[in-house]
Amino acid sequence: AQTVTQSQPEMSVQEAETVTLSCTYDTSESDYYLFWYKQPPSRQMILVIRQEAYKQQNATENRFSVNFQKAAKSFSLKISDSQLGDAAMYFCAYRSAGENYGGSQGNLIFGKGTKLSVKP
Amino acid sequence: DTEVTQTPKHLVMGMTNKKSLKCEQHMGHRAMYWYKQKAKKPPELMFVYSYEKLSINESVPSRFSPECPNSSLLNLHLHALQPEDSALYLCASSQGRRTFDEQFFGPGTRLTVL
Repeated sequence: AQTVTQSQPEMSVQEAETVTLSCTYDTSESDYYLFWYKQPPSRQMILVIRQEAYKQQNATENRFSVNFQKAAKSFSLKISDSQLGDAAMYFCAYRSAGENYGGSQGNLIFGKGTKLSVKP
Repeated sequence: DTEVTQTPKHLVMGMTNKKSLKCEQHMGHRAMYWYKQKAKKPPELMFVYSYEKLSINESVPSRFSPECPNSSLLNLHLHALQPEDSALYLCASSQGRRTFDEQFFGPGTRLTVL
């Protein structure tokens, strides 16, 4: 079974600085997707960034980028120029690119989350 | 429209009550999900509907009963709940494809069982 581990329950960053959130995962599969989701307090969860395992190039979305190390099974999120609105719970998630979408292997497996605080 | 809506936003119910949570999306998505989320925890998958058919039931107690009347709507019927069922209930939807299949989440219904 696949597992996702976020070893930092809480992180803090100064506004305008850079912060990196860690995520490791365990899988025997070669084809899968990785995601970072953001859940602000009392607001809905949104997708921040995604990475396809077969792509070597690290994904980037504006101030958000990932460091995907497939061999090490690591998928960290870097937030540059942190803003107050970045304060949220961040969940790393894994999804198999399985044959049977209707099966459980097609579903998201979440890490426990990292609570990010941004100091003004 | 890239929105998943959920009603009600808040619900307080007694252990003998029957209530329903509703979820709606108009993105043409064919997969819809119910999650339960406790405070400071990740979402836990409860049910998955794929093309209006229940494809996954993650060993959820029978006091939770899902229903998918059509491809845009998802209900969760609640009956004889326990206080430990108090949580944020999230609905999500996705295209239902094998390839990258982003799940769009609703804002959730915060349920309190007295």
